[in-house]
Amino acid sequence: GAGVSQSPRYKVAKRGQDVALRCDPISGHVSLFWYQQALGQGPEFLTYFQNEAQLDKSGLPSDRFFAERPEGSVSTLKIQRTQQEDSAVYLCASSSNLNTEAFFGQGTRLTVV
Amino acid sequence: GQNIDQPTEMTATEGAIVQINCTYQTSGFNGLFWYQQHAGEAPTFLSYNVLDGLEEKGRFSSFLSRSKGYSYLLLKELQMKDSASYLCAVRGNTNAGKSTFGDGTTLTVKP
Repeated sequence: GAGVSQSPRYKVAKRGQDVALRCDPISGHVSLFWYQQALGQGPEFLTYFQNEAQLDKSGLPSDRFFAERPEGSVSTLKIQRTQQEDSAVYLCASSSNLNTEAFFGQGTRLTVV
Repeated sequence: GQNIDQPTEMTATEGAIVQINCTYQTSGFNGLFWYQQHAGEAPTFLSYNVLDGLEEKGRFSSFLSRSKGYSYLLLKELQMKDSASYLCAVRGNTNAGKSTFGDGTTLTVKP
């Protein structure tokens, strides 16, 4: 596609439910990033992939968060046993290499009730 | 670690010039980005500085001083559509893939 695509755009989950957020990066982009953005704040880094390798997951807030990119293209961010504090916009970004800008998707707005 | 500071809000008049400052303290430095984000939308790339000096791109310019840990984004000939949040982000060299974002400056352009 022309840009980074994320689905779903909106997700309402009951507390304790598992969710999976999908990111389709720009074709051919090697680097893929996940960020979490709370209202009124800047994006907070979660994790980073180079191709299928997860090189940095230092930003994942707990072991309930898991990300994968098995074939070096589409990535999924999974959150288990969601809690209210997980409510945020989850942004995915991709770049062709580490020295260029990242292109962001529209994000998935997760609301945990 | 990384610390990024930028003003929370700014207001300017259509047609004017506005400068949005960003200061940072980082454990490493491998480039500074500015992004624009309209409410409910994705951040979009504006500029990238890795060397000291001014980068100009149309109505937008960005300046970097690595020794001072300082950058600014300059917007000229402001238009109403420039009302948005402007995010400063620093890429550290401890892990070249990771960028740390400031909380953004919400710019309101008034007629």
